[in-house]
Amino acid sequence: NAGVTQTPKFRILKIGQSMTLQCTQDMNHNYMYWYRQDPGMGLKLIYYSVGAGITDKGEVPNGYNVSRSTTEDFPLRLELAAPSQTSVYFCASRPGQGGDYGYTFGSGTRLTVV
Amino acid sequence: GQNIDQPTEMTATEGAIVQINCTYQTSGFNGLFWYQQHAGEAPTFLSYNVLDGLEEKGRFSSFLSRSKGYSYLLLKELQMKDSASYLCADPRAGSYQLTFGKGTKLSVIP
Repeated sequence: NAGVTQTPKFRILKIGQSMTLQCTQDMNHNYMYWYRQDPGMGLKLIYYSVGAGITDKGEVPNGYNVSRSTTEDFPLRLELAAPSQTSVYFCASRPGQGGDYGYTFGSGTRLTVV
Repeated sequence: GQNIDQPTEMTATEGAIVQINCTYQTSGFNGLFWYQQHAGEAPTFLSYNVLDGLEEKGRFSSFLSRSKGYSYLLLKELQMKDSASYLCADPRAGSYQLTFGKGTKLSVIP
């Protein structure tokens, strides 16, 4: 049982480049999330999805896009990378709303935009 | 995270007890989570409280007072490996998401 898998673990992008951060989970969780974490700051929600075909914006969606074509996969797309997007990105999933359903996090993607 | 407050940093001695506090907005309350995050790693689930009182899990305990909008994480018999950030998170009722505090960085010293 792999849990939540993120790739790549590290990436350096040049300003204006684009890339996709991959996230897949094998726990059949309905809810998936993308957070970013800047040094000394808490986790800020970028986008989330409550099921295949459904996505919604979080607190800091600008500059990002997502899709959820399957229950397992929730990729995050950066179209025109900017230095402000230098951060650690975490994907997370949970079975559903309510109850003792904490998030399971992936190991993170460390992105630097130069 | 908005409306969730935690101390930024704390230092405690190996073998001691430390209490990490968290205050949150009480409207729409739906329980409170605590996560542990070691430097450079992903957060991992520690506890979830939805009722008032203290819940104990080995060396870690979590307390909740819904009327006061207050929770704390209690770590006993501190070990060096407990040096980490501890995140308080609020699953706001009617929302699908967790709102995280900025975390408390705990340093355990010999």
